Amino acid sequence: RKEVEQDPGPFNVPEGATVAFNCTYSNSASQSFFWYRQDCRKEPKLLMSVYSSGNEDGRFTAQLNRASQYISLLIRDSKLSDSATYLCVVDGQNFVFGPGTRLSVLP
Amino acid sequence: GAVVSQHPSRVICKSGTSVKIECRSLDFQATTMFWYRQFPKQSLMLMATSNEGSKATYEQGVEKDKFLINHASLTLSTLTVTSAHPEDSSFYICSATRGILDYNSPLHFGNGTRLTVT
Repeated sequence: RKEVEQDPGPFNVPEGATVAFNCTYSNSASQSFFWYRQDCRKEPKLLMSVYSSGNEDGRFTAQLNRASQYISLLIRDSKLSDSATYLCVVDGQNFVFGPGTRLSVLP
Repeated sequence: GAVVSQHPSRVICKSGTSVKIECRSLDFQATTMFWYRQFPKQSLMLMATSNEGSKATYEQGVEKDKFLINHASLTLSTLTVTSAHPEDSSFYICSATRGILDYNSPLHFGNGTRLTVT
């Protein structure tokens, strides 16, 4: 089993839609969790950290379920500019990246 | 916020030559930096962990004699691809965090180096 797994995607959604991504991790000792977005041919950029109590940043909501070892990212009212690959990153002993989920927001 | 600078952003070289990529943390000291490689449509793959003042730790399958890493100061790590071949063509990205023991400290990435070996 891979250390970090994500929804395979791609997700093609219309503007304004709500979309959710899931990520599971295998290392129960993992301490920190992040969502990054990566645009084509660019470096990943931090979208948000994921806190145990869940956290929200504008249209983005991240949730962590330690018991089930999964993380989620919810994007509301999606914009064309949200089109990117979303990477789940888990920090145990090392930062481990999920394979990413590609999102395309369509006009 | 933290900034990591990577240079060059793009390099084209001939097979057999060596290429050096620099990674600098601009406003914080990074005792640990990470080097990743990304092939098209694939996720980031950790190549090695660069430790200031000591040898880098390489991931399984990464040749340490081919990918030389030097972390001479708290703000600079370099990756040298020696005797590059076309199969080394890839997107190389460095990253750093303020402290490996500082939980919830995210990775900050350089802007990547696109290497093309002809």
